[in-house]
Amino acid sequence: AQSVAQPEDQVNVAEGNPLTVKCTYSVSGNPYLFWYVQYPNRGLQFLLKYITGDNLVKGSYGFEAEFNKSQTSFHLKKPSALVSDSALYFCAVRDSLNSNSGYALNFGKGTSLLVTP
Amino acid sequence: DTGVSQNPRHKITKRGQNVTFRCDPISEHNRLYWYRQTLGQGPEFLTYFQNEAQLEKSRLLSDRFSAERPKGSFSTLEIQRTEQGDSAMYLCASTTTSGSGGTDTQYFGPGTRLTVL
Repeated sequence: AQSVAQPEDQVNVAEGNPLTVKCTYSVSGNPYLFWYVQYPNRGLQFLLKYITGDNLVKGSYGFEAEFNKSQTSFHLKKPSALVSDSALYFCAVRDSLNSNSGYALNFGKGTSLLVTP
Repeated sequence: DTGVSQNPRHKITKRGQNVTFRCDPISEHNRLYWYRQTLGQGPEFLTYFQNEAQLEKSRLLSDRFSAERPKGSFSTLEIQRTEQGDSAMYLCASTTTSGSGGTDTQYFGPGTRLTVL
């Protein structure tokens, strides 16, 4: 079975400070990992994904994520937060061995990021 | 590339009424997914289409739900005899299966927010 956990419901950070949004996963095969961002009353916007290769993945809007196989984690990071980064962030996983559901994404419950001026 | 579109954006209905939502995927995307997102949760898989074929349904998709993708382009999701528990955001996503299984990025529409009174 595949699953993903986002242990923090909310992350607060001051503008200009680095931010980290945590994600851990569980799969049987190799993980395919994704981060999406959701603004109020909007759909999900793709930020980045890890499939294979370099453990540090760079994505949109200055975000990056680090894949750590030993810790089964895929934390989202940004060196300097902006107020406009305030939104809901979702981590999602697919298991390379599980083609059920057409490789539908399995999402965490989300982490609300609040960046204060 | 105009992105995934969904209509209507909001729907308020009375319990027992039928509702239908439409999703227009990114052109030439052969795979289309429907997800449901309730407050404080991540999106949950409902069903998916490969071209016009509906290949899998989640156990969340009760008999009151039906989805179609008649020509392999747009898709509709109908809920019959709506219940208050159906209130949620219904998200559509599309992708093209050009890569190896599970590695493709899903692109989401803005969602249809359903409120059942």
